[in-house]
Amino acid sequence: QKEVEQNSGPLSVPEGAIASLNCTYSDRGSQSFFWYRQYSGKSPELIMSIYSNGDKEDGRFTAQLNKASQYVSLLIRDSQPSDSATYLCAVSRANFGNEKLTFGTGTRLTIIP
Amino acid sequence: GAVVSQHPSWVICKSGTSVKIECRSLDFQATTMFWYRQFPKQSLMLMATSNEGSKATYEQGVEKDKFLINHASLTLSTLTVTSAHPEDSSFYICSARVSRQGPRHGYTFGSGTRLTVV
Repeated sequence: QKEVEQNSGPLSVPEGAIASLNCTYSDRGSQSFFWYRQYSGKSPELIMSIYSNGDKEDGRFTAQLNKASQYVSLLIRDSQPSDSATYLCAVSRANFGNEKLTFGTGTRLTIIP
Repeated sequence: GAVVSQHPSWVICKSGTSVKIECRSLDFQATTMFWYRQFPKQSLMLMATSNEGSKATYEQGVEKDKFLINHASLTLSTLTVTSAHPEDSSFYICSARVSRQGPRHGYTFGSGTRLTVV
């Protein structure tokens, strides 16, 4: 079993719709959860971080965490063509300090105009 | 915001030569730097964790004698790919956590270095 699992996609969503990205993780000791966006040929950029069960909203993005189910998701509302990218889920065992990140394989999202 | 500057952004080298990649934290001190490698259409794989003033910690399967990491100051970490071979061609990315922003912030990534060994 992979430590962090994501559906590789591609996931196609019409412009203006909601894109839903999912991630599961195997390490119950995981404390910090991140969503990164990566455009082709570029390095990842942080979209959201979440640490507690429930929802966290930031603009068009909502991260959801359920530690009991070891599940974290990202919703993108009012999807735009510029949201087309690969979305990487990453987890860490630490809330602070310099603990390493473990990445999923990423979900490729395409927003259709 | 916190910036990690990575150079070069791309490099082509001949098989058997060595290549050095630099990562600098521009407006914060990075006591720890992480080095990742990403092959096409794959995710980021952690190669090693670089700690200022001490030896790097390598992930299983990563040759420490081939991938030399030096973290001599709080703002600079380097990765040297020694005796590079075509199979080392990849996208190398460094990352650091900006602790001064508080513990609950993500990791900042450098812009990456695309290495092609011919």
